[in-house]
Amino acid sequence: SQQGEEDPQALSIQEGENATMNCSYKTSINNLQWYRQNSGRGLVHLILIRSNEREKHSGRLRVTLDTSKKSSSLLITASRAADTASYFCATIYNQGGKLIFGQGTELSVKP
Amino acid sequence: ETGVTQSPTHLIKTRGQQVTLRCSSQSGHNTVSWYQQALGQGPQFIFQYYREEENGRGNFPPRFSGLQFPNYSSELNVNALELDDSALYLCASSQAGGPYNEQFFGPGTRLTVL
Repeated sequence: SQQGEEDPQALSIQEGENATMNCSYKTSINNLQWYRQNSGRGLVHLILIRSNEREKHSGRLRVTLDTSKKSSSLLITASRAADTASYFCATIYNQGGKLIFGQGTELSVKP
Repeated sequence: ETGVTQSPTHLIKTRGQQVTLRCSSQSGHNTVSWYQQALGQGPQFIFQYYREEENGRGNFPPRFSGLQFPNYSSELNVNALELDDSALYLCASSQAGGPYNEQFFGPGTRLTVL
């Protein structure tokens, strides 16, 4: 079974707009990671946020983590057509543990 | 690119056959994890290998087995293939003991079972 749920399942926006994806999980975590997947290929690691962090930035990406609500959000600012992909959050309980993925958000950015 | 490679890229088998998928981990990584991703779903953890030993297993039957070699590359073997085994199989390498457990994924092997 999967740990979390992502919302929305699909998102369609225009180039230049911001995209926000949310992820909820069920148990306490060591860290939470976001991945991108293009067309059913391999996963690309985007950003990792530790359980004691609340916000993290990387380029046009901003991730927040609320451990009290067991939720995280990924914001992509000034989206581009090349951002079109599926985005997954994944949680990990402990050092060396397995990643538990949500079902993903399919993002479509129209030029 | 992550430096993790997988072979083959695509594979077509028939029900009841056996398949072996291969993964070469990123240089310096000693841990390999395997995931199964069905169409439209997130990846599901199959098992993890660390220093040639299985180090955790997900909810998959024993016909899913694996190996890790001294150079940390790994194989995933699936016996008695079923139609539901059709999926993208991903391996990920990481460095045990690293502070963040970032896992780096290969491009995947697309398995189709007819």
